This record gives sequence, structure tokens and C-alpha cells, in this order.
Amino acid sequence: DAGVIQSPRHEVTEMGQEVTLRCKPISGHDYLFWYRQTMMRGLELLIYFNNNVPIDDSGMPEDRFSAKMPNASFSTLKIQPSEPRDSAVYFCASSLRGGYGYTFGSGTRLTVV
Amino acid sequence: DQQVKQNSPSLSVQEGRISILNCDYTNSMFDYFLWYKKYPAEGPTFLISISSIKDKNEDGRFTVFLNKSAKHLSLHIVPSQPGDSAVYFCAASARGTSYDKVIFGPGTSLSVIP
Repeated sequence: DAGVIQSPRHEVTEMGQEVTLRCKPISGHDYLFWYRQTMMRGLELLIYFNNNVPIDDSGMPEDRFSAKMPNASFSTLKIQPSEPRDSAVYFCASSLRGGYGYTFGSGTRLTVV
Repeated sequence: DQQVKQNSPSLSVQEGRISILNCDYTNSMFDYFLWYKKYPAEGPTFLISISSIKDKNEDGRFTVFLNKSAKHLSLHIVPSQPGDSAVYFCAASARGTSYDKVIFGPGTSLSVIP
């Protein structure tokens, strides 16, 4: 298995633009998580899905953030409009069972200028 | 409020010596604890875990100790090697509950000096 695949690896965009981050989980994993890493807050859970259904989005910072999982092999995290404070590394992770630990992707480094 | 705390942002240790990374948690519902290791430009990778029914788990050079009464766990690396230089995240979950997600601490950056 190729692991959790995220794209793009790096994204630089101007403030106000729409940004879409993509994730392909490991085949057969029922859980998918989106995390954001910043210096101040470490690894912060944004939202997670179980069997493609959003379970907890309490970590999504604002209405500008949205996430979808249209099928078991694909998820997106969208920021519209983007702001400089959204600059961070965004990780996607997947697992067979929610609380037992995950496999992470390599992350997307987002820079909003 | 952070439920998983790592109060040391960084730690430096000489090669061959012991590295001790500490972690505290506040949620008494947590029953499973994990350590992840992260190199620059890579995603975190699982290192070792411990269930709340144990107080120690060992895997090669890595040992995790759990003190439930103090809500404290620690990761010991013996002997430390330069390749261990990375950011270490402590994490916790409450399995089998509606809280079936892993909460991470802010991380400790370990530098092992040759």
C-alpha cells in the first residue's frame, strides 16, 4: 500500500483565494482525520470522518473551512477565503479504528501571503 | 484547554545517554496513550503505545511508563542516537467511547548530540 497520500505537498496562495487540499486514505481504513500543525498549538484536530460521514468538526476554526469525503478513497479540505493565519502544515491521517492511532500522510505546507 | 501537555518544548542529550520525554494529561477518560515521532517534512509516525491497564511497555531502546494516579507518562530512549533527533508527540485517546479520536500534545523537539 502506498500509505496516505496528500496533495499538493506545498501550496502558496494569495490572501482571499480558495485553497483545496486533497487526501487519499489507506484502502480499507474507515476513519479519516484532518490535522493542522502550528508552532503555537502543535497538532490540532480539525475534523474526522467515519465511513465517509463527518463525526466531529468542532476543531474547524471558522466557517471558511469545510471538509468533504465523497467516497472511501478521497477527502478534501477547503479554505475559502484563505488568510495569512491559515499558514500551517495540514496533515491527513487514516485508521481502521478511531482511538488506536493513525497513519499520517506527508502533509501539505500551506503558505498564504 | 489542552488535554495533553508536553511542558518541555525542546531537549538536548548527548549520544549514548538516556533521553526522557514527559507528558501530562487531564482527561481521566483516556485509556490509551501513544508516542509519535516526526522528522522535518514528513508526517508523524507511530513509535510506541501503552494501555491504561499497564504501567510499562518496552520496545527495543524505547520504553513508555504510565502513572495513572499522577496522569503522567514518560518516554525513555536508551541509548540515545543522533537518528533519534526529531519532534516527539505524546497522544491519548478514550477507546470505545464517542471520543474515538487521538488528542496530541504540542510536541518536544529532541536533539541528540554526537
